[in-house]
Amino acid sequence: DAMVIQNPRYQVTQFGKPVTLSCSQTLNHNVMYWYQQKSSQAPKLLFHYYDKDFNNEADTPDNFQSRRPNTSFCFLDIRSPGLGDAAMYLCATSRFQGQTQYFGPGTRLLVL
Amino acid sequence: AQKITQTQPGMFVQEKEAVTLDCTYDTSDQSYGLFWYKQPSSGEMIFLIYQGSYDEQNATEGRYSLNFQKARKSANLVISASQLGDSAMYFCAMREGREAQGGSEKLVFGKGTKLTVNP
Repeated sequence: DAMVIQNPRYQVTQFGKPVTLSCSQTLNHNVMYWYQQKSSQAPKLLFHYYDKDFNNEADTPDNFQSRRPNTSFCFLDIRSPGLGDAAMYLCATSRFQGQTQYFGPGTRLLVL
Repeated sequence: AQKITQTQPGMFVQEKEAVTLDCTYDTSDQSYGLFWYKQPSSGEMIFLIYQGSYDEQNATEGRYSLNFQKARKSANLVISASQLGDSAMYFCAMREGREAQGGSEKLVFGKGTKLTVNP
């Protein structure tokens, strides 16, 4: 089945230690998104790629970076995680901008 | 002003009964799209149903239907014959702009409604 895959499902990191979350998709979609969702809140868009074009949300901290080496993979890098970065990180894809977004299972990040 | 308002933080329903989850939205665009997602405790966001602003018929997908009242700017989700597995958070979301012209890439989410289905 075509899908959006996120690894790992749970990630524990130390305060200030860089961490990378990964997302892959077999849907061959053009757009990939990264969302941050804190407990009992709605998902918040961090950035997205349309093909190789990177689009950062204005309020996304510089601590968050992303890479998309090819159509199938997209990475979220947190350069120096703080305690406030503990959250669920959701990857989503859509065929084109504005179309239905399909989400992966998410990665729960814990910062110690 | 919030673009998506979900006024019910929590809802309870008996198994096999129908339930309506409310969603109102605010936009000045003529073209927009409305989505409902389900998020179980495992965390994944599951797409349920979509309604385009120009769609004349209410969207339906199995036990899910969207009660779209454009003049009132509401897009309520109706779940028929509730099942225990329907217990989850439900998010209403809006995309502004016309899909065919790319629209906005951004989904604006409401704060969600936690649905509990009782046996």
